[in-house]
Amino acid sequence: AQSVSQHNHHVILSEAASLELGCNYSYGGTVNLFWYVQYPGQHLQLLLKYFSGDPLVKGIKGFEAEFIKSKFSFNLRKPSVQWSDTAEYFCAVNVYGGSQGNLIFGKGTKLSVKP
Amino acid sequence: DSGVTQTPKHLITATGQRVTLRCSPRSGDLSVYWYQQSLDQGLQFLIQYYNGEERAKGNILERFSAQQFPDLHSELNLSSLELGDSALYFCASSPGKSSYNEQFFGPGTRLTVL
Repeated sequence: AQSVSQHNHHVILSEAASLELGCNYSYGGTVNLFWYVQYPGQHLQLLLKYFSGDPLVKGIKGFEAEFIKSKFSFNLRKPSVQWSDTAEYFCAVNVYGGSQGNLIFGKGTKLSVKP
Repeated sequence: DSGVTQTPKHLITATGQRVTLRCSPRSGDLSVYWYQQSLDQGLQFLIQYYNGEERAKGNILERFSAQQFPDLHSELNLSSLELGDSALYFCASSPGKSSYNEQFFGPGTRLTVL
């Protein structure tokens, strides 16, 4: 079965530090990839998505992610985090031709940014 | 605000009871998805409806059922509730039949089973 792994359960950074959150998926075929963010007490919001084309994807709020097909990875990056980036981040995969074609989420990474 | 609404926001009930969660998709969206978010399992897909028809099924228990009405709102029915059903239940919607595009999530319903 397809799965998504997010390596870090909780990341603590100081403001202005750089961020990289890891995401790996297990599926050898065509995938769509997403990063969602959940701010405290709020609903999931889409940060960015990759369907095809340039593997470096830019999203909202200065976030970007790079799809590396050979590594089955889609890591999220931000050069300089702010306190307002404190949230939980979810990587998700949608597999073409899968039995359901629905989103498979990682378990999430909680990011705490210290002011 | 994603445009997806869910009611109620919080629900507290007892084991063995039955509850109904409601979701209204974004205007124009025909697909509705239900997800369960718990501490141990993370965010898990339960079921998808498209224009009133069941489209895909995930890890949904037999005690749970859903439907989508002609006005496209959806209800998730949870019966014979157990302590382990305590979770955050999210609804999402998207325009088309396939979930290959972005899904827009509602604020969730937090269910507590005592």
